[in-house]
Amino acid sequence: KAGVTQTPRYLIKTRGQQVTLSCSPISGHRSVSWYQQTPGQGLQFLFEYFSETQRNKGNFPGRFSGRQFSNSRSEMNVSTLELGDSALYLCASSLELGFVGYGYTFGSGTRLTVV
Amino acid sequence: KQEVTQIPAALSVPEGENLVLNCSFTDSAIYNLQWFRQDPGKGLTSLLLIQSSQREQTSGRLNASLDKSSGRSTLYIAASQPGDSATYLCAVKAGKSTFGDGTTLTVKP
Repeated sequence: KAGVTQTPRYLIKTRGQQVTLSCSPISGHRSVSWYQQTPGQGLQFLFEYFSETQRNKGNFPGRFSGRQFSNSRSEMNVSTLELGDSALYLCASSLELGFVGYGYTFGSGTRLTVV
Repeated sequence: KQEVTQIPAALSVPEGENLVLNCSFTDSAIYNLQWFRQDPGKGLTSLLLIQSSQREQTSGRLNASLDKSSGRSTLYIAASQPGDSATYLCAVKAGKSTFGDGTTLTVKP
């Protein structure tokens, strides 16, 4: 059974550019969450999608956006990149949204470096 | 707002020791609590998931307990090995998940 797949694994971008990251959840999982991890801030919740709808959102500026497709694959986009956006971006999938017993499975992450 | 605290932030032990990692949370209205392991630069690997109605879960040398009323969970690692060296994070789920900052464990040979 394939795990959570995130692409690309590594990315280097220049300030002001935009970037799109992709996440394919475990087959059958309908919920996808995104997290930003930095040494100073730890794991910060970005947003969670279920059935193509954003269900929860963290405290990030509008430059961070996402979407989920009908096959549950998800993308997140960051526009007008800043140096502080350099981080490991992690995607997690879950079978259902918010129900007891369903934990998260994480992908290996995308390491984004903004120069 | 849910807050999750993990103490200690770092721990160094000799191989073979039994150890306990702590996780506390402020809002007891949770669906479940999950313990993860993260190796440097990698994603998170799920270790144990405890549902809100459960008191503990066990997997091999790992045992996690949950006391919702006091807002605490512990992860017990028996007979630690150098391969256990990693950062351990707990996450509580109520809608979205809230993560602690983790405990970085070093097991010395």
